[in-house]
Amino acid sequence: RKEVEQDPGPFNVPEGATVAFNCTYSNSASQSFFWYRQDCRKEPKLLMSVYSSGNEDGRFTAQLNRASQYISLLIRDSKLSDSATYLCVVNRPGTYKYIFGTGTRLKVLA
Amino acid sequence: EAGVTQFPSHSVIEKGQTVTLRCDPISGHDNLYWYRRVMGKEIKFLLHFVKESKQDESGMPNNRFLAERTGGTYSTLKVQPAELEDSGVYFCASSLGLAGEKVYFGPGTRLTVT
Repeated sequence: RKEVEQDPGPFNVPEGATVAFNCTYSNSASQSFFWYRQDCRKEPKLLMSVYSSGNEDGRFTAQLNRASQYISLLIRDSKLSDSATYLCVVNRPGTYKYIFGTGTRLKVLA
Repeated sequence: EAGVTQFPSHSVIEKGQTVTLRCDPISGHDNLYWYRRVMGKEIKFLLHFVKESKQDESGMPNNRFLAERTGGTYSTLKVQPAELEDSGVYFCASSLGLAGEKVYFGPGTRLTVT
């Protein structure tokens, strides 16, 4: 079983739609969680950290469910510019190592 | 503030040749990481420097890979001799000090071994 698992998609949604991605992680001791965004042939860029209490940044909401060991990312009012691959990243406990999911591809259609 | 920079952006070499990738982290970042994405796979950790010291090199594939960070500033990753399976995108990243804090990635070096 992979340490971090994501549905690779693609998710094709119309502009203005709400879309949600989930990611599961296997190490219950994990403490740090992130969503990164990666555009085609570019570097991953931090979208948001994920906190236990959940956090929101504009149209983006991230949540953590420790009991079920998953994190989620909700994007409201999708824009064409949201089209990208969204990477779920978990820090391996006791290390500085990031464990990446394979990414979920999102395509927002006009 | 300048981000993480990497050189070259692309490299095409033949099997058996040597390639050296360079990374300049964000100024003041003690932590420097190398990651790699092989086609169709997830991004995977290679190694971690704190200043000039290797903290964790558990992700290095084999002894054909050598990373250095002399003086604790920029880092190089040498592949010698390169094999076909080394093709992929090599990302460098850096962060300030604490585990779990924000890590900033460079644009990557796309390596193709033919």
